[in-house]
Amino acid sequence: GAVVSQHPSWVICKSGTSVKIECRSLDFQATTMFWYRQFPKQSLMLMATSNEGSKATYEQGVEKDKFLINHASLTLSTLTVTSAHPEDSSFYICSARTTTTEQYFGPGTRLTVT
Amino acid sequence: SQKIEQNSEALNIQEGKTATLTCNYTNYSPAYLQWYRQDPGRGPVFLLLIRENEKEKRKERLKVTFDTTLKQSLFHITASQPADSATYLCAPPGGGDKIIFGKGTRLHILP
Repeated sequence: GAVVSQHPSWVICKSGTSVKIECRSLDFQATTMFWYRQFPKQSLMLMATSNEGSKATYEQGVEKDKFLINHASLTLSTLTVTSAHPEDSSFYICSARTTTTEQYFGPGTRLTVT
Repeated sequence: SQKIEQNSEALNIQEGKTATLTCNYTNYSPAYLQWYRQDPGRGPVFLLLIRENEKEKRKERLKVTFDTTLKQSLFHITASQPADSATYLCAPPGGGDKIIFGKGTRLHILP
């Protein structure tokens, strides 16, 4: 149980375009979903927290107009990187939790912006 | 500010021995602490959670201790195997629903 999927697993896009990443909880309803970014050999850095049906809460320094998060249902959250630039290239990971403390992570999405 | 430190970036352990990883935290007192495993190019996988009133927690070959006086958690893998090679992340709560991740320790189990 507690499986989280992400789609796509990797994506290459051109600078200036937008790309959408989906995060789904497959066998449970997620009251809260989180989006992280991880650069090589670095720790996971929380970008934003989203609760179903409400606006996401962004961490300091994360541009909410650039990283659009939509948590449309209890099993789906999306992250859209708008007007992507090469410095946005990173490993994006989502996680989901129910009412317990543990977060269950997706397999991650590798974004490369050329 | 809250700070998480994990010992050494990489740890080499001979197969069959016990691997011990350290997590130190400063400037706060977490009510619990989680440990995750992360393989290259993958998301973290939850391993164990230990609460402040628990001194020790075990799961199969894994053992976690939590010393609130020393502000330290130790993560042990006994009878280590090459398949245990991965990065292990210490993750105390960061307020609200958040988790703060340490940089992790890359563990290599040598055959």
